Amino acid sequence: EAGVAQSPRYKIIEKRQSVAFWCNPISGHATLYWYQQILGQGPKLLIQFQNNGVVDDSQLPKDRFSAERLKGVDSTLKIQPAKLEDSAVYLCASSLAWVNTEAFFGQGTRLTVV
Amino acid sequence: AQKITQTQPGMFVQEKEAVTLDCTYDTSDPSYGLFWYKQPSSGEMIFLIYQGSYDQQNATEGRYSLNFQKARKSANLVISASQLGDSAMYFCAMRDPNTGFQKLVFGTGTRLLVSP
Repeated sequence: EAGVAQSPRYKIIEKRQSVAFWCNPISGHATLYWYQQILGQGPKLLIQFQNNGVVDDSQLPKDRFSAERLKGVDSTLKIQPAKLEDSAVYLCASSLAWVNTEAFFGQGTRLTVV
Repeated sequence: AQKITQTQPGMFVQEKEAVTLDCTYDTSDPSYGLFWYKQPSSGEMIFLIYQGSYDQQNATEGRYSLNFQKARKSANLVISASQLGDSAMYFCAMRDPNTGFQKLVFGTGTRLLVSP
């Protein structure tokens, strides 16, 4: 079974530029998550989708971050414009359901904003 | 409010010894799920073990076991017979039943270093 795919693996941009990350979850997984992991910290949930609907985006900085999951499969996360403090690893995860099932993670995208 | 607390920033253990990584959680809901993940230096998050709040027995998966003490709200991970490849960050996580769609929240992690 293929795992969660993310691209790109690494990205370096200048502040105020825009960037987009892509995630393809495990086939059949209804729940998709985007996490931000700043160096030395645990992952922080940015947004959670159930199929193609947003069920939690309470910690998403909506003035600069946006995410979508068209057709309830793959998803993109965009930052525009980027700030220095957005430097982090962005992890995408998916799970079969949102009730007491584990989430499977992709390898992440390491973003450096200079 | 902090939902998941991992008080050990770092732990050291010798190869072949057992080690316990601490995790406490906070919820008033009787139904919840607890998870442990391993994050090696490569960055991916690897699922290790799951414990449901209604599970009668402590979860075990190979060398991993979960010491679940419900009354104390603790879910410590025990790794038996440590191996060099166990060196990594370890995160405790909980499906928070007090949030819609059971948001999966993580602790701050414990870095485990296994020495020869």
